Amino acid sequence: QVQLVESGGDLVKPGGSLRLSCTASGFNFSDYYMSWLRQAPGKGLEWLAYIRTPGTTIYYADSVKGRFTVSRDNANNSLFLQMDDLRVEDTAVYYCARQARDFDYWGRGTLVTVSS
Amino acid sequence: DIQMTQSPSSLSASVGDRVTITCRTSQSISTYVNWYRHQPGKPPNLLIYSGSNLQSGVPSRFSGSGSGTHFTLTISSLQPEDFATYYCQQSYSSPWTFGQGTKVEIK
Repeated sequence: QVQLVESGGDLVKPGGSLRLSCTASGFNFSDYYMSWLRQAPGKGLEWLAYIRTPGTTIYYADSVKGRFTVSRDNANNSLFLQMDDLRVEDTAVYYCARQARDFDYWGRGTLVTVSS
Repeated sequence: DIQMTQSPSSLSASVGDRVTITCRTSQSISTYVNWYRHQPGKPPNLLIYSGSNLQSGVPSRFSGSGSGTHFTLTISSLQPEDFATYYCQQSYSSPWTFGQGTKVEIK
């Protein structure tokens, strides 16, 4: 069955960096577009970044453009999110999701806390 | 960016009730709307795609309708696992945006 497992969440200080990973299984990863999304405490869902396969088309939300970088490694069924210049407002649960016409499968998320 | 406005923001209902949630978009987007249920501590779960199509494995008590700028999600008979937050989302264009959510609580 389709599985997405995020990792890499941690407590980091403002201005710091973090790299999230998402490992996929149960489907042909290289055939699918992927996205990162997040949910801040008490807030709704927010789409952040999208990457096509093989990774030549990438979109970002304005809130993370210039600070976050999405990438993928199809050989290892992995999706990544490099997060730089982190801010307190980036505190959230971060999800990776498979994207077709919709977000049809999601991981369980990884918590990123940005605090001094 | 396409704005998604859900209503109500919360509602109280009982098991067995019929519940309807509305989503309005800031521009016409044909049927490019999807609906998700988000239970605490779990990832969001796709219920309806492209306006009215039931995702595989989702119970038939869920249905979606609408096109253009007005969309609805209906739960025909609320079950205990349906007490959750529901989101609409547009897949018409990037940035893909969500409604603010509708929290369905137990009356």
